[in-house]
Amino acid sequence: DGGITQSPKYLFRKEGQNVTLSCEQNLNHDAMYWYRQDPGQGLRLIYYSQIVNDFQKGDIAEGYSVSREKKESFPLTVTSAQKNPTAFYLCASSPTPPDSYEQYFGPGTRLTVT
Amino acid sequence: GQQLNQSPQSMFIQEGEDVSMNCTSSSIFNTWLWYKQDPGEGPVLLIALYKAGELTSNGRLTAQFGITRKDSFLNISASIPSDVGIYFCAGPTGSSNTGKLIFGQGTTLQVKP
Repeated sequence: DGGITQSPKYLFRKEGQNVTLSCEQNLNHDAMYWYRQDPGQGLRLIYYSQIVNDFQKGDIAEGYSVSREKKESFPLTVTSAQKNPTAFYLCASSPTPPDSYEQYFGPGTRLTVT
Repeated sequence: GQQLNQSPQSMFIQEGEDVSMNCTSSSIFNTWLWYKQDPGEGPVLLIALYKAGELTSNGRLTAQFGITRKDSFLNISASIPSDVGIYFCAGPTGSSNTGKLIFGQGTTLQVKP
């Protein structure tokens, strides 16, 4: 089945530790995105990548880092510099914009930092 | 900057009722997307609209691209309990080549059996 996978579903970390969230897609999409969602709020863009080995900051990139070494994979690292890392993280992919703006989402990873 | 305002913020309805929600912006959009998010899951694309005035259906869901290109509407007919969730509108933001989307704050729908 084609789709986007995120792992793990739940992640717990101690304050001060870096943590990497996985995102893999087999839809052959060029573009991939990371969003953060806080309770009762919409989605805010952290980073996005339109092509392998290239990525850009979104609206709330501080304290996060990404890499795009393969078309299928776009891991997100939440660093200790992120002041409020506890949130629901969503990965998405889309065909090459502007041919299509339809983004398809993974199931999300809920990160809790204590 | 661009903002999408969704209305209402939340709805609590009886099973079988029809539902209407909307999304408005001060900016013009050339694409409108509607997503549904179940609790604890990622959003799922329901309907995509590409042309002003376009009316598109997906089962009991119907969405319209407003003629002014500054709004969009989503209707759900004969609601059922599994319609519960958060409904988001979204549209392209920034340069048309980035694929970036801006999302509304969502409309939370609760259905009473």
